[in-house]
Amino acid sequence: QSVLTQPPSASGTPGQRVTISCSGSSSNIGSNTVNWYQQLPGTAPKLLIYSNNQRPSGVPDRFSGSKSGTSASLAISGLQSEDEADYYCAAWDDSLNGEVFGGGTKLTVL
Amino acid sequence: EVQLVESGGGLVQPGGSLRLSCAASGFTFSSYSMNWVRQAPGKGLEWVSYISSSSSTIYYADSVKGRFTISRDNAKNSLYLQMNSLRDEDTAVYYCARDTFRYCSHWGQGTLVTVSS
Repeated sequence: QSVLTQPPSASGTPGQRVTISCSGSSSNIGSNTVNWYQQLPGTAPKLLIYSNNQRPSGVPDRFSGSKSGTSASLAISGLQSEDEADYYCAAWDDSLNGEVFGGGTKLTVL
Repeated sequence: EVQLVESGGGLVQPGGSLRLSCAASGFTFSSYSMNWVRQAPGKGLEWVSYISSSSSTIYYADSVKGRFTISRDNAKNSLYLQMNSLRDEDTAVYYCARDTFRYCSHWGQGTLVTVSS
């Protein structure tokens, strides 16, 4: 049972825009910034978005993040086949004193 | 370039112990907090433990508290995870990750720990 809640799956066709939601509570998303990680098949996770909406160097601007209250979302525009991966939201939790994760969303590009 | 290389994984019986290591390079290791994060086969990510740059602050997930010990040697640019009283549910790929303002900015490739009789 993950602390943050994400839909288990999402899908879209090439070129489409998809969004992935993430829901938390006052001790995590409500009081700290949200981060998103991308895990391509068979590889280690990679930081995709940090501090709600910041992209590390090298991450295309097709990826964007937002946060409102105790929820957050990741948007991917101009969907490409190489975007097919698992996406995890995360945030520091002040009660647990650690970074808590969502259960992950498997994105399929149809 | 930031590099994190985990080692020490393997097959261990329930109740046994294992010590994981993470060798860091490409950045000033002593300036950064570090994390261990694990992923059970076919499952999502689970944060395990956090250690501050000077080792003055340490946190554990409830699932491993009292059984796992995180430590670091800044002179050797290395992070460790001593795992005792291992259980079947500890089977996972263990990743070390550099902490940057409470998120994991860089990840290693992971090391597989299998707990089975």
